[in-house]
Amino acid sequence: GESVGLHLPTLSVQEGDNSIINCAYSNSASDYFIWYKQESGKGPQFIIDIRSNMDKRQGQRVTVLLNKTVKHLSLQIAATQPGDSAVYFCAEKVVGGSYIPTFGRGTSLIVHP
Amino acid sequence: EAGVAQSPRYKIIEKRQSVAFWCNPISGHATLYWYQQILGQGPKLLIQFQNNGVVDDSQLPKDRFSAERLKGVDSTLKIQPAKLEDSAVYLCASSLDLPQGSTDTQYFGPGTRLTVL
Repeated sequence: GESVGLHLPTLSVQEGDNSIINCAYSNSASDYFIWYKQESGKGPQFIIDIRSNMDKRQGQRVTVLLNKTVKHLSLQIAATQPGDSAVYFCAEKVVGGSYIPTFGRGTSLIVHP
Repeated sequence: EAGVAQSPRYKIIEKRQSVAFWCNPISGHATLYWYQQILGQGPKLLIQFQNNGVVDDSQLPKDRFSAERLKGVDSTLKIQPAKLEDSAVYLCASSLDLPQGSTDTQYFGPGTRLTVL
């Protein structure tokens, strides 16, 4: 399943499917990007990050893709599990500027067993 | 390693009342942040401390919000008087103190859910 981030804030997938969560960032000067996972009743949890000198970075079951030309970021989750159900936020920042990342609105991922 | 601790977890007050939130960051983390997260939105930074000094409080509504980190460890965030629009989750986060230009991971606490009636 695939979301278009801010315009479709809920993504429903079946367990075992691959999920793609999209994010359009706003600042062309941003050079560092982070994906967070926020489960109900908890604070955001760091998943993976990527610097602007990379197009792709892989973690455990997750991959982040960065397209600087169109200011687009995506998070791919392989073999989605019920425990992946959460709200996912992308955040952007300028490494040499303010230390504070700017959070997007978030996408709710619902995984059906 | 213990995470970021916050209390209380939930608070319900009436408008015009006062409320305070407490945060204990991860041991050794010099930088502490307070965020406001309104339902359905991403966290918005209110204030950032480095040790006991304020780094950024440009988005803190100073007419009613205040925060302190007197000894550079624990921090409190206060709202006085509260308004209906203050209903939100207040998140505390901490990170190591790295040089500017480095990337650093923020670790978030569970948050305090405030409801203003």
